[in-house]
Amino acid sequence: DQQVKQNSPSLSVQEGRISILNCDYTNSMFDYFLWYKKYPAEGPTFLISISSIKDKNEDGRFTVFLNKSAKHLSLHIVPSQPGDSAVYFCAADGGSYQLTFGKGTKLSVIP
Amino acid sequence: NAGVTQTPKFRVLKTGQSMTLLCAQDMNHEYMYWYRQDPGMGLRLIHYSVGEGTTAKGEVPDGYNVSRLKKQNFLLGLESAAPSQTSVYFCASSYSEKAAGEKLFFGSGTQLSVL
Repeated sequence: DQQVKQNSPSLSVQEGRISILNCDYTNSMFDYFLWYKKYPAEGPTFLISISSIKDKNEDGRFTVFLNKSAKHLSLHIVPSQPGDSAVYFCAADGGSYQLTFGKGTKLSVIP
Repeated sequence: NAGVTQTPKFRVLKTGQSMTLLCAQDMNHEYMYWYRQDPGMGLRLIHYSVGEGTTAKGEVPDGYNVSRLKKQNFLLGLESAAPSQTSVYFCASSYSEKAAGEKLFFGSGTQLSVL
């Protein structure tokens, strides 16, 4: 059973607007969450993370929000740029050596 | 700065053939991982290593073996390839003793097709 769910396989956004990517999780033991970005034919690269003791973390145009009661996190990109077009993976860590990844959301930013 | 390097980038195998994927990192990381990514799926952990000479099973270890003879290298072997092992394989490494909160550095992947 999927413990990390990204229910939107794809998302299209106009350049300059906000992109919101969502992620839901089921395991209450997860205490750290990360977002990775992946371009075609490349490996994923780390984007931003958040600890379960926080509800928001910001890094430039990227902000991650965590709602623990709803077991939901979201990644906001403002403003969206064509170079942001990629697949975004949500990942969660519950204290083992492995991250649990969602299936990814393909973001297309339209110029 | 090379980071994590995977070889080969592409490979086509026939069912039953064997091969080894090589991963090398130059960041002096203790922890190394092999993931596979299939269409419509997230990355799934095959095996990992917490240091030179150690290996452990991940979520989907069947049909694979690994070795970590040197700290900088992590090898993934397929003894008898099956079509179900057609996938993109990613190697990753991290510095921390714990994956939590410590970002992974990924290689660019190996596209493997088993016919």
